[in-house]
Amino acid sequence: QVQLQESGPGLVKPSETLSLTCTVSGGSISNYYWSWIRQPPGKGLEWIGYIYYSGSTNYNPSLKSRVTMSVDTSKNQLSLKLSSVTAADTAVYYCAREGESSPYFPVDYWGQGTLVTVSS
Amino acid sequence: DIVMTQSPDSLAVSLGERATINCKSSQSVLYSSNNRNYLAWFQQKPGHPPKLLIYWASTRESGVPDRFSGSGSGTDFTLTISSLQAEDVAVYYCQQYYNTPFTFGPGTKVDIK
Repeated sequence: QVQLQESGPGLVKPSETLSLTCTVSGGSISNYYWSWIRQPPGKGLEWIGYIYYSGSTNYNPSLKSRVTMSVDTSKNQLSLKLSSVTAADTAVYYCAREGESSPYFPVDYWGQGTLVTVSS
Repeated sequence: DIVMTQSPDSLAVSLGERATINCKSSQSVLYSSNNRNYLAWFQQKPGHPPKLLIYWASTRESGVPDRFSGSGSGTDFTLTISSLQAEDVAVYYCQQYYNTPFTFGPGTKVDIK
């Protein structure tokens, strides 16, 4: 059973960079696409982007200028960096698994999510 | 971007009754070369991540009770819960994975009447 676990600071100051890690267990990162999705408290879901295990990425244009995703296959980990954060970036951040060899599949595994609050 | 809308925003249904949620996409999510609709439904309970219920608009994910069904094609889709159970109280989201950025509907909250 594939399990995903997000980790990182729960509080980030405005204008700083949010950094999260997602550790994948019970399966390999290889051959899959992996997404980051966020959800502001009490609101809906926003797709941030995906990364293939090879490192190729596709970001949501609304966040593209501030987002960097990377993958470490040796550690079975993904990472997300979001720069110049504001209060609008306060959300639960999820990592999730998309399809094998194609991103055009629905997310079938989700992490539990981690709440990141942007505040001074 | 493909804009997803859902109706109603919320609904309350008696236990054992049918619940119907509609989802509309601003453009077709039907890929003609394989005749598949790139549309999924998720269920989210408070404090939990979303759970995949339906994909390809009508294929039930393994382990999902058969009271959940999906239908529709092109731009109009429906999630039906044939006989609402207490554990079905949740917010339901549709999502298109036809084009990036992948987008979600705003959600429909389902409660017990």
